[in-house]
Order: sequence, then C-alpha cells, then structure tokens
Amino acid sequence: NAGVTQTPKFQVLKTGQSMTLQCAQDMNHEYMSWYRQDPGMGLRLIHYSVGAGITDQGEVPNGYNVSRSTTEDFPLRLLSAAPSQTSVYFCASSLRQGPVEQYFGPGTRLTVT
Amino acid sequence: AQSVAQPEDQVNVAEGNPLTVKCTYSVSGNPYLFWYVQYPNRGLQFLLKYITGDNLVKGSYGFEAEFNKSQTSFHLKKPSALVSDSALYFCAVRELRKGNTPLVFGKGTRLSVIA
Repeated sequence: NAGVTQTPKFQVLKTGQSMTLQCAQDMNHEYMSWYRQDPGMGLRLIHYSVGAGITDQGEVPNGYNVSRSTTEDFPLRLLSAAPSQTSVYFCASSLRQGPVEQYFGPGTRLTVT
Repeated sequence: AQSVAQPEDQVNVAEGNPLTVKCTYSVSGNPYLFWYVQYPNRGLQFLLKYITGDNLVKGSYGFEAEFNKSQTSFHLKKPSALVSDSALYFCAVRELRKGNTPLVFGKGTRLSVIA
C-alpha cells in the first residue's frame, strides 16, 4: 500500500491564482480530512469527509473547497490564493470516525506571494 | 466544543532521564484521546490512543500515556529519553457522541533530548 499520497510537495502561487492540492489513499478509508499547519498554531482542520459524496467544514474552511467523488480521492481547491494561505497542508485518512488512528500524507508546502 | 491544550511549547530533557509532555482536554462527554509525533519535514505518525478501560496506555517506541478523568489530562511519558525522541508531539481529542466529530489537535510541544 502507498498509504496517503499528496501532490505536489511544494508550490508557489501568486495572489489570486487558483490551484488544487491532490490527496489519495489506497486503504479504502471512509474518513478523510485536510489540515493546515502553521508555526505556533498546531494543526487546524479545514474540511473533512465521512464518505464519498459527504463533506463538512472544519475550523478554518474559508477560501477552500473540497469534494469527494470517490472513496480514494479528496482534493483541496484554493479558489483565489491569498498570502494568509501560505502554510503546510496535510491530508489524512482513517478507516472511519471514532477511536481509530489517522494516517497522514507527507504534506504540501504552499507559498503565496 | 472540544479542545486540547498543550501548555508547554518546548520541553528539554537529558538523554536517559524520564520525560513528560503535558496535555489537557475539554469535551462535553467522553473523549477519545491520541498522541502523534512529527519528525522534521514529515507527516504525523500515530503513537498511542485511549478509548476506554485501563488509564495507562502503552504505545510505540516505549511511550505511554496516563488518562486522568478528574484532571482532564492525558500526559505522554517515557521512562528513559533517547536523542532520537526529539520531535514535535501533538495531543488530539475526538468526542464520543453521535454525529460527525472531527479530531481536534493541540498546538504541539517540541521535545528536545540532549545527549
């Protein structure tokens, strides 16, 4: 199993540009989520999904869209990038919600100038 | 709303000494509690979890954590620290209730083990 994969690893955007961060998992996990990690802020939840076709907002959803058309993929879209979205983004998945561990991808480091 | 507090940004310990990384939580009902570790330029890795039962939970790499319901704490411990334990540690909580309950993380504690 490849686990959780994320692409790209690094990205530089100009303010106002749009892009999609890709996330895929091959473990048949129901639950997937996106976090951003900023210094001194820990991990903050952006969006999550409890299954294909079902998504919900986390703590910091503004400026981001998600969709879950398949069990495997959970892309994160930045509609109009802003410098405040400069961060490291992690995708994670778990078998389901509840008392199970999440598996994290390697992260995408995004810089918005 | 559920929340997690890690009161120490940084913990320094000498190699071979015991270590403790503190975590307190707040939920309306019963919690599921987790510890994760992050090494430089990597994603988070699962260390251990508390669901129910024995308050002392053992996990990977010799780590353990003690659940204390009255103090709403879930401190991470290790009897003898290694230099290779130096990393960023995150506590996380998920509330046990019906409906969608996402995992909420603390801000992290950087552990530095000095040889």
